[in-house]
Amino acid sequence: GAVVSQHPSWVICKSGTSVKIECRSLDFQATTMFWYRQFPKQSLMLMATSNEGSKATYEQGVEKDKFLINHASLTLSTLTVTSAHPEDSSFYICSAKGPGWEGEQYFGPGTRLTVT
Amino acid sequence: GQNIDQPTEMTATEGAIVQINCTYQTSGFNGLFWYQQHAGEAPTFLSYNVLDGLEEKGRFSSFLSRSKGYSYLLLKELQMKDSASYLCASMDSNYQLIWGAGTKLIIKP
Repeated sequence: GAVVSQHPSWVICKSGTSVKIECRSLDFQATTMFWYRQFPKQSLMLMATSNEGSKATYEQGVEKDKFLINHASLTLSTLTVTSAHPEDSSFYICSAKGPGWEGEQYFGPGTRLTVT
Repeated sequence: GQNIDQPTEMTATEGAIVQINCTYQTSGFNGLFWYQQHAGEAPTFLSYNVLDGLEEKGRFSSFLSRSKGYSYLLLKELQMKDSASYLCASMDSNYQLIWGAGTKLIIKP
């Protein structure tokens, strides 16, 4: 089956630093990947849609200069949280559009970010 | 606007049956998904309905009524490991998932 990995699984960083999270499709090519954020006891919130070779499409209210997304290859998308603040602490999950039908998505295991 | 409604929390007893309801309003419709999410983990796919009716998969079944904008997830023979959040998501005309806030299911012995 289609597998998506994320790295790191958890990270702690100091306020003001930047953190990069990787999302990889391991056994299929993903032209489209999605980045979600989830705060405790809340549902998934779509941050942006990442398309290989083009700029990401950000959802309303998400700062594109703060959350940098790069989808440089068909198997890798990265999310960089720049100048992180404690309020950026959250669970970040990526998903990749599968090789099959249009609606198929496969989720990565998530990255827990804590900013101190 | 687009909206997904599901109960915040439900409690059920081990071995029993529980039904989690979801109503949706989205711009276009390309199917209704149910995901299970354990605390601290990513969602895992449970079911997909695009036509009206009941889809059964082992202990889990999912129902859809497009005319009513309504779905439910039915869990039978509940086990303690079923304690999790259950997320309802509708796929809109752009094939984007619109997520509900999730229903936290608590199973008691």
